[in-house]
Formats: sequence, C-alpha cells, structure tokens
Amino acid sequence: TQLLEQSPQFLSIQEGENLTVYCNSSSVFSSLQWYRQEPGEGPVLLVTVVTGGEVKKLKRLTFQFGDARKDSSLHITAAQPGDTGLYLCAGARSGNTPLVFGKGTRLSVIA
Amino acid sequence: DAGVIQSPRHEVTEMGQEVTLRCKPISGHDYLFWYRQTMMRGLELLIYFNNNVPIDDSGMPEDRFSAKMPNASFSTLKIQPSEPRDSAVYFCASSLYGSPLHFGNGTRLTVT
Repeated sequence: TQLLEQSPQFLSIQEGENLTVYCNSSSVFSSLQWYRQEPGEGPVLLVTVVTGGEVKKLKRLTFQFGDARKDSSLHITAAQPGDTGLYLCAGARSGNTPLVFGKGTRLSVIA
Repeated sequence: DAGVIQSPRHEVTEMGQEVTLRCKPISGHDYLFWYRQTMMRGLELLIYFNNNVPIDDSGMPEDRFSAKMPNASFSTLKIQPSEPRDSAVYFCASSLYGSPLHFGNGTRLTVT
C-alpha cells in the first residue's frame, strides 16, 4: 500500500495551460515536500509546507497543504516546456523520521 | 560544494555478480539515505544512517543487500549476489537534521 497517492500519474498539456496535481494520504504528516526530478538526475526540492492550510507560491507554482495535513496540491499557471518533469511529493510523519515518497506525476508540457 | 556524488553512473552486470554502489555525501551533513527508484514502486527508502550509524534498515529487501558507512564522507551499498529484479536507479541523499534532502544523480543498475 502506497502511503502517499499522487494523481494523475501522467499529464500531457499544451504550453500556456494551467494544471493541478494532487498528493493524498490517510495519514497525518508533520511536513510535506514537493520535488521535481528531470531525466538522469536526482529529485530537487521545490518547497516544504508545515502548517495545515498553508499556501506557498514559487513564481507560477502554487503549493497548498490541506487543513488536516493529510494532502497537498501543486498548481502550475501557464505551464512552460521547462516545467516538464516528474513531480514527487514526500511526507515526514515527524521531525526525525525519514521521508516517504509518492510515485509521482510525470508532466509533459508541449510547445 | 559539489553536491552528493555517486558512482558509477551506470552499472551493467550479470546475474550472480557482486555490485557495489558508492556515495560521497555533502560535507557536514549528518544523515545519509539510500533510495531505490523503479517505475512500479517509485522511490523506496532502503536504509539511512545518522552520524555514520545505521538507524533503520527495514527497507533493505533481502540479505543480499548490505550498506556501510565507514566514515562521514563515504558510504557503500552492496548487492551480492545480484538478480535481474534488482535493476533500478539507486539514489543516495544526504541532509542535516530537519533540513531538505540533497540527492545525487543516481546509479542506474541493470542486471542481465
């Protein structure tokens, strides 16, 4: 059983479109992180959210942590080909436990 | 800083052979993690160390897998004997307590 479920698994959109990807769990997390991974490279951290209901913006990317700290979403406005990659969410049950990762959403933005 | 360095980048070996993957964490980081990534299962934690001491190896799939961290700047993950189902990308990551993970670029292992 996957602790963190990400949806959709695959997403292919045209440049300029908006999109939202989701990360859901039945467990509560003390913090949740989003990473982006490009082919042949390791995941790179985008953002960490720690407070229920928290919203963080990173240019065209908006991250939200659910009120109950069980789920999160990533919204991209006006997607660009450079946004293409595998988006992974990862949660920590407490401050000193290792991260568990979802399987990711593979995004392809077509010019 | 050069980041987390893994070697080799690619490894192709025959079933039954021993495989050793290497990792140099970021200097000063006190946590080191080994993950395995496949399409089917995503990123799975195999083992992690704190101050060179193994803390949790419950993710290590079988006794064929072993990991060591002889000092703060080096860790190895060994598979002996290797099997085709071990084919995956193996990532090493390091961090400071409470701080984000920094991943290496992985070792792509193919066992034929």
